[in-house]
Amino acid sequence: RKEVEQDPGPFNVPEGATVAFNCTYSNSASQSFFWYRQDCRKEPKLLMSVYSSGNEDGRFTAQLNRASQYISLLIRDSKLSDSATYLCVVISGTYKYIFGTGTRLKVLA
Amino acid sequence: GAVVSQHPSRVICKSGTSVKIECRSLDFQATTMFWYRQFPKQSLMLMATSNEGSKATYEQGVEKDKFLINHASLTLSTLTVTSAHPEDSSFYICSARLGPANTEAFFGQGTRLTVV
Repeated sequence: RKEVEQDPGPFNVPEGATVAFNCTYSNSASQSFFWYRQDCRKEPKLLMSVYSSGNEDGRFTAQLNRASQYISLLIRDSKLSDSATYLCVVISGTYKYIFGTGTRLKVLA
Repeated sequence: GAVVSQHPSRVICKSGTSVKIECRSLDFQATTMFWYRQFPKQSLMLMATSNEGSKATYEQGVEKDKFLINHASLTLSTLTVTSAHPEDSSFYICSARLGPANTEAFFGQGTRLTVV
């Protein structure tokens, strides 16, 4: 089983839709969690950190469920510019960044 | 925010030659930098952790004699792909943390290596 698993998608959604991604992790000792966004042929860029209490940044909401060992990302009112691959990143007990395979999102006009 | 600069962004080299990729932290000191490789439609795979002033720590399956890492200063780490083969063609990305070990990392722009 992979340490961090994501549904690769693609998720094709119309503009204005709400879309949610989940990411599961296997190591219960994992300490920190992030969502990164990666555009085609570009480097990953931090979208948001994920806190135990959940956090929101504009149209984006991230949540952590330690009991079930998953994190989620919710995007409301999708824009064309949200089209990208969303990477789930978990910092393991040895402080290594473990990346999920990413979930591809395509927002359609 | 913190900036990590990687150079070159794109390189084409012949089989058997060596290629050096530079990763610089522009506005902060990074005692630790990370090197990743990403094949098309796959995730980033950690190759090695670069430690300033000491030897790099390589992940299982990564040949340290083929992927030479030097971290001679607090702002510069280099990855040299030696005796490159076409199967080394990939997207190489470095990253560095601004803060403690459990904080977010910032990434360089990546280097697309094509070995012909």
